[in-house]
Amino acid sequence: GAVVSQHPSWVICKSGTSVKIECRSLDFQATTMFWYRQFPKQSLMLMATSNEGSKATYEQGVEKDKFLINHASLTLSTLTVTSAHPEDSSFYICSARLTGVHINTQYFGPGTRLTVL
Amino acid sequence: GEDVEQSLFLSVREGDSSVINCTYTDSSSTYLYWYKQEPGAGLQLLTYIFSNMDMKQDQRLTVLLNKKDKHLSLRIADTQTGDSAIYFCAERAETSYDKVIFGPGTSLSVIP
Repeated sequence: GAVVSQHPSWVICKSGTSVKIECRSLDFQATTMFWYRQFPKQSLMLMATSNEGSKATYEQGVEKDKFLINHASLTLSTLTVTSAHPEDSSFYICSARLTGVHINTQYFGPGTRLTVL
Repeated sequence: GEDVEQSLFLSVREGDSSVINCTYTDSSSTYLYWYKQEPGAGLQLLTYIFSNMDMKQDQRLTVLLNKKDKHLSLRIADTQTGDSAIYFCAERAETSYDKVIFGPGTSLSVIP
């Protein structure tokens, strides 16, 4: 149980275009999902906390107009990188929080590799 | 502030035990986690420990917590080549219900 999927697993796009990444909790409902960014050989950096039915909470330094988050249902959150530039190339990982007996642990998706040309 | 540190690299021979160490600064941490990340993949939760425990064992994995020194370790017994990965230590503070702080990750290489 507690499976989280992401789509696509990798994407290459041209500079200036927008890219949408989906995060789904497959076998549980998640009122809270998280979006992380990971640079090569570095740790995860929390970008934002996505709450179902409300606005996302962004970490300091993360541009909310550039990284649009929508959490429209209890099983789906999307991250849209708008007007992508080469410096946005990174590994984006989402997680979903499983509440209750599992101590509110986050379960992670497999990640999405974004390359902006 | 909250900070988690780990040694960046560890190399062990197959069959030996691996010990990955982690230190954290937030004394209010309530849950501490170990995640495993294989190349090009997301993070897999390996195990977790409550701050009121000092040890937890789960098959080949043993987690030791020294709350006084804010030191956490993960021991992998009989290390296999499939254990080669990056291991992240993470903490969640009581004051930050949702926020989990990750360490930089320890890259474990298992030599056949």
